[in-house]
Amino acid sequence: QQQVKQSPQSLIVQKGGISIINCAYENTAFDYFPWYQQFPGKGPALLIAIRPDVSEKKEGRFTISFNKSAKQFSLHIMDSQPGDSATYFCAASKAGTASKLTFGTGTRLQVTL
Amino acid sequence: DGGITQSPKYLFRKEGQNVTLSCEQNLNHDAMYWYRQDPGQGLRLIYYSQIVNDFQKGDIAEGYSVSREKKESFPLTVTSAQKNPTAFYLCASRGLAGASNTGELFFGEGSRLTVL
Repeated sequence: QQQVKQSPQSLIVQKGGISIINCAYENTAFDYFPWYQQFPGKGPALLIAIRPDVSEKKEGRFTISFNKSAKQFSLHIMDSQPGDSATYFCAASKAGTASKLTFGTGTRLQVTL
Repeated sequence: DGGITQSPKYLFRKEGQNVTLSCEQNLNHDAMYWYRQDPGQGLRLIYYSQIVNDFQKGDIAEGYSVSREKKESFPLTVTSAQKNPTAFYLCASRGLAGASNTGELFFGEGSRLTVL
């Protein structure tokens, strides 16, 4: 059973456009929602994360929007750049000192010139 | 530099052979994890360890084994019992104590295993 569903599987955006990736979760105990960015041949790296006490978090061009009642969260990349071309994973975990992260299936983003 | 080192980066194995992937971290993290990455399936947890000499199965542990004899090391053995071992394997670590417990997973650069 997949606990975090991510869409779309792939996304093509023109330079300067807005990239939007969506995730939905099932477990209401989840309280930590990070997004990871992965370039080809590399390991993922934390991009931005949010906890459910806020509805939005912004870091530079990257924004997480969180809807607790709908159990959904999304990543918005403003002014998308070719350097943003990568695979993005959403994830979720619940409280606990060693809680496991459950990952979405990933979105391959390509930003064209 | 602090980080996670995985080796080898590329590995080829014949069917029926066991292979061990190395993972070393110098971040002083308590928890370490192994994930498997396949196209379109995201990251799936194989094994994780919160403390030396203790580890737990993840979602896809069959055909794999691990050990945690030292805090900084968490090797993964892909055994001949693993039906479809060709994949990209990622090791990660996470701080659990105090200020280091941010929830962030730090990943190595991965090991790509191909079974011939």
